[in-house]
Amino acid sequence: NAGVTQTPKFQVLKTGQSMTLQCAQDMNHEYMSWYRQDPGMGLRLIHYSVGAGITDQGEVPNGYNVSRSTTEDFPLRLLSAAPSQTSVYFCASSPPDEADEQFFGPGTRLTVL
Amino acid sequence: AQSVAQPEDQVNVAEGNPLTVKCTYSVSGNPYLFWYVQYPNRGLQFLLKYITGDNLVKGSYGFEAEFNKSQTSFHLKKPSALVSDSALYFCAVRDWGTYKYIFGTGTRLKVLA
Repeated sequence: NAGVTQTPKFQVLKTGQSMTLQCAQDMNHEYMSWYRQDPGMGLRLIHYSVGAGITDQGEVPNGYNVSRSTTEDFPLRLLSAAPSQTSVYFCASSPPDEADEQFFGPGTRLTVL
Repeated sequence: AQSVAQPEDQVNVAEGNPLTVKCTYSVSGNPYLFWYVQYPNRGLQFLLKYITGDNLVKGSYGFEAEFNKSQTSFHLKKPSALVSDSALYFCAVRDWGTYKYIFGTGTRLKVLA
């Protein structure tokens, strides 16, 4: 199993550009989520999904969109990038049981100029 | 609302000495608590979890954690620290009902040779 994969690893955008961060998992996990990690802020939840066709907002959803058309994929879209979105983004997945831990991808480092 | 707090931004310990990384939680109902570790430029890796049962939970790499219901704490411990344990450690709780994970702000552990 590849686990959770994220592409790209690094990205530089200009303010106002849009892009999609890709996330895929091959463990048939129902639950998937996107976090951003900023110094001193820990991990903040952007959006999450409890299954295909179901998404919900996390703590910091503004400026981001998600969709979940399949169990495997959970892309994160930046509609109009802003410097405040410079961060490291992590995707994670887990089985639906509340007792289960999450599996994390390697992250995408995004810089918005 | 569920929450976790990690009161120390950084913990320094000498190699060979015992280490403790602190976490306190606030939940309604029974808590599902987790510890993760993040090495530089990597995603988070699961260390251990408390679901129910024994208050002392053993995990990966020789780490263990003590669940204390009366003090609402879940401190991470290791009897003898290694330089290779130097990393960022996150405590997390899973929210009943929404399935969301809520992370602390992280504690940087430095083990000095």
